Amino acid sequence: GQNIDQPTEMTATEGAIVQINCTYQTSGFNGLFWYQQHAGEAPTFLSYNVLDGLEEKGRFSSFLSRSKGYSYLLLKELQMKDSASYLCAVMDSNYQLIWGAGTKLIIKP
Amino acid sequence: GAVVSQHPSWVICKSGTSVKIECRSLDFQATTMFWYRQFPKQSLMLMATSNEGSKATYEQGVEKDKFLINHASLTLSTLTVTSAHPEDSSFYICSATQGATEAFFGQGTRLTVV
Repeated sequence: GQNIDQPTEMTATEGAIVQINCTYQTSGFNGLFWYQQHAGEAPTFLSYNVLDGLEEKGRFSSFLSRSKGYSYLLLKELQMKDSASYLCAVMDSNYQLIWGAGTKLIIKP
Repeated sequence: GAVVSQHPSWVICKSGTSVKIECRSLDFQATTMFWYRQFPKQSLMLMATSNEGSKATYEQGVEKDKFLINHASLTLSTLTVTSAHPEDSSFYICSATQGATEAFFGQGTRLTVV
């Protein structure tokens, strides 16, 4: 079966760095996405990785290792507004998105 | 980035009535649109996938006669919740893709059935 695993909840301190991991097992691979979702809102796109390596975009970076079925989202200089759920999703061979359950990130002052 | 507009943002309806939710891709042609449902504190659950001009493919457990999906053009898909009941109250989100690209999400529709 297809499976995406990510931690349920993480806590970090304002100004610090946090890494959210995601492991996946899917039928085929056409890219991995990270989304941010604030409570009651639709997800917003953060990053897309299809090749191995690190993609940096401002305070956010995303890493992919296809051979290990592993990705992480790195958030630097955490701000209170970064408190949200972070969703990992993989596009399978049918170009469908398989979603992780999301990681709730709590930022403390 | 590309824009997907979903309407309405929220709706309250009486039990037994039908509600239509629209999803439009404003600046690109969406070959595929997805409809999701999200219950509080839960992950997104894919309900169905629709390709323009063809019937939607529903996920297991989703009643196709209850959740009618129409993808009449490359920029518009609609989800109609027929004979809504309180248990259908949820957050419905659409997303659209143009081939193997990132999925762009609509704003979501909060449906409350009373």
